[in-house]
Amino acid sequence: NAGVTQTPKFQVLKTGQSMTLQCAQDMNHEYMSWYRQDPGMGLRLIHYSVGAGITDQGEVPNGYNVSRSTTEDFPLRLLSAAPSQTSVYFCASSHDRVIANYGYTFGSGTRLTVV
Amino acid sequence: DAKTTQPTSMDCAEGRAANLPCNHSTISGNEYVYWYRQIHSQGPQYIIHGLKNNETNEMASLIITEDRKSSTLILPHATLRDTAVYYCIVRNSWGKLQFGAGTQVVVTP
Repeated sequence: NAGVTQTPKFQVLKTGQSMTLQCAQDMNHEYMSWYRQDPGMGLRLIHYSVGAGITDQGEVPNGYNVSRSTTEDFPLRLLSAAPSQTSVYFCASSHDRVIANYGYTFGSGTRLTVV
Repeated sequence: DAKTTQPTSMDCAEGRAANLPCNHSTISGNEYVYWYRQIHSQGPQYIIHGLKNNETNEMASLIITEDRKSSTLILPHATLRDTAVYYCIVRNSWGKLQFGAGTQVVVTP
């Protein structure tokens, strides 16, 4: 049981490049989400999914796309990287969105720098 | 969504209890209070959650006031490894966790 796995751990992009941050969980969790954390700040929700085939926007969705074709995977796509997207990205999953009896499990993060 | 208010920082002596306050005066009846912590640059770690009753687990205790407008996280015997940013979060029915700035807790020897 690996929990929530994020790849890569570090990435440097040039402005305008695109890339996909990977997130996978092996706990059969329905709920998955992506957050970004800028230096000295709390986490902000980018996108989330309540199950395969269902996604929705969070607080800061612009410049990012997501899809949820399987329960296990929830990739985050940067369409055209900008320096403002330099941040640490965390993926999280949870067993059930309605029954609030489970904590979220977070990945270890992807540190992205856009130059 | 209900918002939370926490002190920016607090210090605690090693071995003593750390009491972390949180105000959530606009919380709805079906919203839970969650506590997470983030050590250095790691992913946040779940600590405890509650609805209206006090809760205790192996990590901490959560005390929620009767009107549910505030709560206190208690770390009974703080260690140096408890130095972290602690987030108090109200979770809405769709499960979104919205983080504030949290409280930076520094445990000193």
